[in-house]
Order: sequence, then structure tokens, then C-alpha cells
Amino acid sequence: DTAVSQTPKYLVTQMGNDKSIKCEQNLGHDTMYWYKQDSKKFLKIMFSYNNKELIINETVPNRFSPKSPDKAHLNLHINSLELGDSAVYFCASGGATNEKLFFGSGTQLSVL
Amino acid sequence: GENVEQHPSTLSVQEGDSAVIKCTYSDSASNYFPWYKQELGKGPQLIIDIRSNVGEKKDQRIAVTLNKTAKHFSLHITETQPEDSAVYFCAASRSSNYQLIWGAGTKLIIKP
Repeated sequence: DTAVSQTPKYLVTQMGNDKSIKCEQNLGHDTMYWYKQDSKKFLKIMFSYNNKELIINETVPNRFSPKSPDKAHLNLHINSLELGDSAVYFCASGGATNEKLFFGSGTQLSVL
Repeated sequence: GENVEQHPSTLSVQEGDSAVIKCTYSDSASNYFPWYKQELGKGPQLIIDIRSNVGEKKDQRIAVTLNKTAKHFSLHITETQPEDSAVYFCAASRSSNYQLIWGAGTKLIIKP
């Protein structure tokens, strides 16, 4: 069974659209994350949720809104997509100390 | 703010040779240093980590060394194989917040 699964794998959409990426983890972890990886492979944390509560919210446009219905799920909704949003988005989860992260396989978002 | 510098950005080695990737961190309170491997089309995966009370750790062909005085740590891969080709990330965190600060990544290419 996949530990951290995110869907869809690929997302191609037009500028101005609204889209969502879903993430689920079956590891029983308390903390989940969203990361953005740009074309140069740099990993940037966007959000962190611990037991459904937001604990990290880096400088991210408010067009990005995370939603955590329960501690096993952390979805990412993006409004009014822009060209610069094109990247690979990774969901991750962490155990008690949040040191060891488990990543999903990524969602490649292409905004045309 | 805290940062982690990683070098080189690209490393090309002959199959069978050794590869070394170096990272320097700025936060002297950092005490946990993981290394992640990201294969093409996948999310990063933890391959080895080290804590500040240890100077070196080995796991088969990979090893990590830590120099707390100089605030740098390195990943060593011996007898490189084609499957070692990937992007490698170093990171650092402190136990007070467990927030990982990531290096920019090193693309390792193993030449046959």
C-alpha cells in the first residue's frame, strides 16, 4: 500500500482556472505538508498541518488554500491559476518528531 | 534566517568511483541532518540521517560525516552504480521546532 498518495499525478489547465490536489497518508502521522518544487528542483515548504491545525504558512499567495478534513488528508486548492504556479507539488507526512518525512510521488501542474 | 548551502549542483562520476556531496548550515542549534534521494518522477526519500552527537554514520555504500565545529556535513557514496543517479538533498533542523531547512539539491550522474 502506498504510504502517501496524491492525485492527480499530472494536471494541465488554463490560466484563471481553479484546481485541487488531494493527498492521503496511511502512516498514522500527525503532521502533513505541502511542498513546491520548481524547475531547478528547489524544494520550498508551503504549508504544514498538525492534527488538522495549520502550523506553518510560508509566504504563499492566498490563492493557495490547504484543507485538512482529518489528520490523514491534506488537500490543496488553488484559485485563479497563474503561469508561475507551474511546478511539481509534493505532499508529505511526518511522525512524532516530524524529522523523517515521507513524500508522495508528486503532482506536476502545468498552467497554460 | 537559517540556510543550508549544498555543493556541487551537479556531479558526474564514473560508475564504480566514489561521490561526495557537501552541505554547510548556518544555524548552530541544528542537531539533525538527513539526506534525501529523489529519483526521476518520484518524491524525495530519506536514505540516511545523522544527529549532532555522532560524527559519522554508515549504511552499506553510503555514509554521512558531520563536523559541528565547521558546521558542515557530507554524503559519501562508494562504488557508485547506475541506480545511484538521482537528485540528492541535504537538510538540517533543530529539535525545538523540527522544521527542515533544505539544501538546493545535487544532481548525481553515474557514467557507465
